[in-house]
Amino acid sequence: DAGITQSPRYKITETGRQVTLMCHQTWSHSYMFWYRQDLGHGLRLIYYSAAADITDKGEVPDGYVVSRSKTENFPLTLESATRSQTSVYFCASSEFQREGTDTQYFGPGTRLTVL
Amino acid sequence: GQQLNQSPQSMFIQEGEDVSMNCTSSSIFNTWLWYKQDPGEGPVLLIALYKAGELTSNGRLTAQFGITRKDSFLNISASIPSDVGIYFCAGTNTGNQFYFGTGTSLTVIP
Repeated sequence: DAGITQSPRYKITETGRQVTLMCHQTWSHSYMFWYRQDLGHGLRLIYYSAAADITDKGEVPDGYVVSRSKTENFPLTLESATRSQTSVYFCASSEFQREGTDTQYFGPGTRLTVL
Repeated sequence: GQQLNQSPQSMFIQEGEDVSMNCTSSSIFNTWLWYKQDPGEGPVLLIALYKAGELTSNGRLTAQFGITRKDSFLNISASIPSDVGIYFCAGTNTGNQFYFGTGTSLTVIP
């Protein structure tokens, strides 16, 4: 199906374990983003990517690693999960076609619990 | 990061009533977006606005891009139970940095 998919949708892990959240988009959008959503904080940007092999930090990057070897995939890795990383994670994509025509689309989210 | 001011924070309305919410920023934007998020789901894009003063409709939803480019408004007419959810706005100038509103939680009472 077209759009953005995320996997897994739910994940429970333990402190110290490595976890990778997957994101795949079929629109060939240039930009991809990872956000976390927490009560009281809204959506906070973790990392974004402007194109394959180009990534940059967002507001809350510590403890996370991203890569983008292919345009359509943007995995997010928690190298050593901590309880503070318990959250709902959203992947998004957008295409900057020309000034003033930006639109961002979100995936369904991954609910991560770190015990 | 900058969060846009969205009001009201929550609304409890009777089915059939109209709803209005707004979003304000200290900065100007070239694009305003409105999303709806259902529990356990990702935000779904409702309306995108690209020009100051623009009024755009999507069914019973109408959104406006403020003339100052620092605000936007969303109206829902004749609300129905499935309108329940959290609505939030987003603004951007560059396509790689989106700023989000704090959200409006809408409850529709049948």
